Amino acid sequence: DAEITQSPRHKITETGRQVTLACHQTWNHNNMFWYRQDLGHGLRLIHYSYGVHDTNKGEVSDGYSVSRSNTEDLPLTLESAASSQTSVYFCASSDRQNYGYTFGSGTRLTVV
Amino acid sequence: DAKTTQPPSMDCAEGRAANLPCNHSTISGNEYVYWYRQIHSQGPQYIIHGLKNNETNEMASLIITEDRKSSTLILPHATLRDTAVYYCIVRAGSARQLTFGSGTQLTVLP
Repeated sequence: DAEITQSPRHKITETGRQVTLACHQTWNHNNMFWYRQDLGHGLRLIHYSYGVHDTNKGEVSDGYSVSRSNTEDLPLTLESAASSQTSVYFCASSDRQNYGYTFGSGTRLTVV
Repeated sequence: DAKTTQPPSMDCAEGRAANLPCNHSTISGNEYVYWYRQIHSQGPQYIIHGLKNNETNEMASLIITEDRKSSTLILPHATLRDTAVYYCIVRAGSARQLTFGSGTQLTVLP
């Protein structure tokens, strides 16, 4: 069965370190998205991609970057982790018709 | 995308229908109504979407008023596993992003 997987499920890192969160989907979806979820803020869009080599900034993109070298993967990189980036991160994908998003199970990131 | 207004919380008895309202009075003609839910600690799950007509699938029914300014998500026989935050989202058909609001916390009571 097709799926979308995120890794790791949990990560603890130190302030200033570079961290990469993985997102891999086997739906062959063109569109992929990264969201973060914090208490009191709901889900906020970080970055998104509409296809290979395409990336776009969302509403909370500062301090994050993504790259899309193939259809299946959209890794999210925190260049220099900050305590304010402690959050739960969700990856999602959708097909060209874009009716329903499929979300991953999330990565809980703690920056100490 | 048009904004939506949902009650912050609702309760429903197990086995009864859960009716979750959503107001979207500024919706445009090309905007769809989407519903997602998020069970605690999990990623959001797509439920249903519609443009003008009422829609039904294996999970729920979506009732959209004739003027399209509001809608209701109906879970016909709520179970304890339906306890979740339900998000109503309005989005243009051409847009590929989803913007989540604060949603409705539905608690199904035994």
